[in-house]
Amino acid sequence: AQKITQTQPGMFVQEKEAVTLDCTYDTSDPSYGLFWYKQPSSGEMIFLIYQGSYDQQNATEGRYSLNFQKARKSANLVISASQLGDSAMYFCAMREYGTGNQFYFGTGTSLTVIP
Amino acid sequence: GAGVSQTPSNKVTEKGKYVELRCDPISGHTALYWYRQSLGQGPEFLIYFQGTGAADDSGLPNDRFFAVRPEGSVSTLKIQRTERGDSAVYLCASSRGQGGNEQFFGPGTRLTVL
Repeated sequence: AQKITQTQPGMFVQEKEAVTLDCTYDTSDPSYGLFWYKQPSSGEMIFLIYQGSYDQQNATEGRYSLNFQKARKSANLVISASQLGDSAMYFCAMREYGTGNQFYFGTGTSLTVIP
Repeated sequence: GAGVSQTPSNKVTEKGKYVELRCDPISGHTALYWYRQSLGQGPEFLIYFQGTGAADDSGLPNDRFFAVRPEGSVSTLKIQRTERGDSAVYLCASSRGQGGNEQFFGPGTRLTVL
């Protein structure tokens, strides 16, 4: 089974609107971390936000928030007030702390912000 | 300060040749990761170093791939007898330590095996 599933290969959003990028994960490790990265066309991976499996509150970082639903094993990224510079690939990733140090990445979602 | 750097940025080689890819992590970062990213895919974990030792090399696809980090800083990913399927972007990332969550990625090395 896939560790990280991103079911939206491509998404479009109007500038200034909010958008949700979906991510579900699969693990039996009770201790894990969930990450979102942005990869612009330049290719460099940029860390956006982190959520630990024991964190009670949903993580927020500026315009980014992570909608963490543990029972559903879902970790959706919400980008508020989209900007043209948000157009990029977005990857969801997971790290299982109990079983090693691998990071598992999803296949990504391509976000296009329309002016 | 300087970020993670990788050299070369592009490498074209012929099938069967040996290549070395270099990663300079952020100064003071003890954890270093190598990933491979094929077109249209997410990064695939290869190996993780904590200090000088490979803490987890379970992602290396076969024994043609090897990585070292002799002084706990610069790391070299070595690929022997390259195959066309090895063509990908090889990404390196570093973080402050085992508990560090934020990984800082380098720009990658695009390897093309002809």
